[in-house]
Amino acid sequence: DTAVSQTPKYLVTQMGNDKSIKCEQNLGHDTMYWYKQDSKKFLKIMFSYNNKELIINETVPNRFSPKSPDKAHLNLHINSLELGDSAVYFCASSQDPGVGNTEAFFGQGTRLTVV
Amino acid sequence: GQNIDQPTEMTATEGAIVQINCTYQTSGFNGLFWYQQHAGEAPTFLSYNVLDGLEEKGRFSSFLSRSKGYSYLLLKELQMKDSASYLCAVRDSQTGGFKTIFGAGTRLFVKA
Repeated sequence: DTAVSQTPKYLVTQMGNDKSIKCEQNLGHDTMYWYKQDSKKFLKIMFSYNNKELIINETVPNRFSPKSPDKAHLNLHINSLELGDSAVYFCASSQDPGVGNTEAFFGQGTRLTVV
Repeated sequence: GQNIDQPTEMTATEGAIVQINCTYQTSGFNGLFWYQQHAGEAPTFLSYNVLDGLEEKGRFSSFLSRSKGYSYLLLKELQMKDSASYLCAVRDSQTGGFKTIFGAGTRLFVKA
């Protein structure tokens, strides 16, 4: 059973389009995240959610809109895609990060290419 | 400011020991993680330190000195499958731990 699954794995689309990436975790975690990994492999946090509530929005353009319909899901919708949005997007989840070792479990990533 | 530094690349020989260093500056500290990431795959958890000292886990050990803002990951008895990127990450206490900052990663090449 996949712990954190995200779809699609690959996404190629034209500039200006709107696209969504879905993420689901079956670990019973309260906290979910979206990360962006650029061509230099730098992994940068975009959003953190806890119990469906947005906790961290790391100065991401408002073209990116996360939605958490329940604790097990955190989807990412991107409007008006730009060339610079091309990257690998990782969803992750963890237990409440307040205390202790709350390692993040990552999905397999979505490689987004904007042409 | 927030900053994590680690070497970009390292090369080591199969069977040897390699140490990957990480220095960090963050506004608040609530734990340091090491992740392994093979090319084209997701990061996977290796180790966690929150107190000073060494944590050992099989062939992997991680050390932390909070006063120096320094950590290292030690890999022993290197195997070819250890060729991967190793990401140092610090959890920021000022955001209640909801923000983890990653370094750019160290690409390790293990040669025969």
